[in-house]
Amino acid sequence: AQTVTQSQPEMSVQEAETVTLSCTYDTSESDYYLFWYKQPPSRQMILVIRQEAYKQQNATENRFSVNFQKAAKSFSLKISDSQLGDAAMYFCANTGGFKTIFGAGTRLFVKA
Amino acid sequence: DADVTQTPRNRITKTGKRIMLECSQTKGHDRMYWYRQDPGLGLRLIYYSFDVKDINKGEISDGYSVSRQAQAKFSLSLESAIPNQTALYFCATSQGIRTEAFFGQGTRLTVV
Repeated sequence: AQTVTQSQPEMSVQEAETVTLSCTYDTSESDYYLFWYKQPPSRQMILVIRQEAYKQQNATENRFSVNFQKAAKSFSLKISDSQLGDAAMYFCANTGGFKTIFGAGTRLFVKA
Repeated sequence: DADVTQTPRNRITKTGKRIMLECSQTKGHDRMYWYRQDPGLGLRLIYYSFDVKDINKGEISDGYSVSRQAQAKFSLSLESAIPNQTALYFCATSQGIRTEAFFGQGTRLTVV
């Protein structure tokens, strides 16, 4: 079965600090991809970062980076220098085989 | 114009009514999906389609049906709406597992 688990329903970070959102997954596929999406109050789903499972190097996009541990099936998102605009729901997703499966989400609060 | 357009954006309907949510895309993608978002549950897959002749059930297809009228159009129907189908519904498209999904703006459906 293909599953994605986000164990932190809510997280909070001080502006300019760093926060890490956790995600674990399970899949029987050998070829799969992992994503983090952001959903601000506008409810639009926005891609944050993508990781190919066959690549050992962790993906980075500006202030966003991942810690991909394939053997542990872990895919955490680190946000550095947090900004007020980072406040949103964050969803981890696993795409393998024929479909994309999402986690339950983590709501991130950013304190000024 | 948005690449993935959902109509309506918001809808209130009565229990037992038939309702259709529509989705159209200009991305030229073959794969289209319908997801349902509930608080604490994330996005759950209802149906997905890889082309006009290929329709597949997702995790929670009971009570829903779909129609892929063309490569660019994928509609979701609730034959007899019930209150626990109150949720935020998303249509999404993708070109394959290597690329991210592109989402519509979502439809907020309330069944009273």
